[in-house]
Amino acid sequence: GENVEQHPSTLSVQEGDSAVIKCTYSDSASNYFPWYKQELGKRPQLIIDIRSNVGEKKDQRIAVTLNKTAKHFSLHITETQPEDSAVYFCAASWGNAGNMLTFGGGTRLMVKP
Amino acid sequence: AAGVIQSPRHLIKEKRETATLKCYPIPRHDTVYWYQQGPGQDPQFLISFYEKMQSDKGSIPDRFSAQQFSDYHSELNMSSLELGDSALYFCASSGRIAVSEAFFGQGTRLTVV
Repeated sequence: GENVEQHPSTLSVQEGDSAVIKCTYSDSASNYFPWYKQELGKRPQLIIDIRSNVGEKKDQRIAVTLNKTAKHFSLHITETQPEDSAVYFCAASWGNAGNMLTFGGGTRLMVKP
Repeated sequence: AAGVIQSPRHLIKEKRETATLKCYPIPRHDTVYWYQQGPGQDPQFLISFYEKMQSDKGSIPDRFSAQQFSDYHSELNMSSLELGDSALYFCASSGRIAVSEAFFGQGTRLTVV
């Protein structure tokens, strides 16, 4: 299977600052890396994903970078807002068809107004 | 757009009882995943099905079993319930293309008393 490590476990930033969350994975065959945002008691929802054929992807204030050689990927949130406060999970694909997901331990992001 | 439907949303059972959780994937999705999320924990992969066959198996206890039916819905059967089984159980589905986004249902909150 796959092992995904995520850091930090908690992150507190001031509104308007940037936040960076980092993940490492173990299976070099992994080629799909989604990021999910989960608000308290709700389902994880995809916010951005990246596939192994690109090194960076951006969507408004969110960007993800991937370093396949080092087997790590990162989520960058710029100009943070209080509504960004949530738990963020990274994940990496594995499995026979490469469509199973192993999640990182999660990062609780708190954006202080 | 139709999403992943899980039932029931909440379930309270006593120790040693049996529970059945149901998941209805997004139409034309053929892969179903089950995850268990304890309080403050990341989602833990239990089991998955692709085209009605078990695809991959994670940390699913022997007391649990699951299957995917001809209409692609899935059921997670949990027997001899223990207090530690109290958690949020998510079902997710993905489409025919390997390495595709997994969409999560709203989850079933199981409380064992």
